[in-house]
Amino acid sequence: EVQLVESGGGLVQPGRSLKLSCVASGFTFSNYGMNWIRQAPGKGLEWVAYISSGSSYIYYAETVKGRFTISRDNAKNTLYLQMTSLRSEDTALYYCARQILTGSSDYFDYWGQGVMVTVSS
Amino acid sequence: IQMTQSPSLLSASVGDRVTLSCKAGQNINNYLAWYQQKLGEAPKLLIYNANSLQTGIPSRFSGSGSGTDYTLTISSLQPEDVATYFCQQYNSWYTFGAGTKLELK
Repeated sequence: EVQLVESGGGLVQPGRSLKLSCVASGFTFSNYGMNWIRQAPGKGLEWVAYISSGSSYIYYAETVKGRFTISRDNAKNTLYLQMTSLRSEDTALYYCARQILTGSSDYFDYWGQGVMVTVSS
Repeated sequence: IQMTQSPSLLSASVGDRVTLSCKAGQNINNYLAWYQQKLGEAPKLLIYNANSLQTGIPSRFSGSGSGTDYTLTISSLQPEDVATYFCQQYNSWYTFGAGTKLELK
């Protein structure tokens, strides 16, 4: 059974940093691209960042570019999101999601339960 | 690409045929997925490539559409289908609709 379990969230002051983790199980983690997607309270979903299976390709949403860093450790089956210079608008539930990427498909087939990040003084 | 879902709230009875709409701001070439999110749970993939049913999803769920207009249909609503449904385009990066909340009448 595919499982994605996020951790590392919490309450943090504006301008500070936080690192999220997502531990994967039930599939060969190193074969899949992975993403972070967030959902602000009462808002829709927003894609945040992507990393390819071997970390060769990394992309970010404009709203987090230069502040967030996505990375992975395939030996530990773990995806990370290092968040710096946090702002109140980064307050959200952060999901990790596995990506299916083929010639004609590019979607997220499994999601974790999410971890809450609250940026407030 | 902006994704607009309608209605934002839908009330229906068990056994009803339910139709949810998703409109893209430009042609997305059928690069559309539908997700179901129940309260407190992770989103679940239902449909990809506009009309392909994800493995394990009941056949009462179906997707259709082309160009800018897409539809998720539940042929016979079941109590366990109460959830919020999101569409997502992947023609140009990734954007999601705001969701349709489906409740029982």
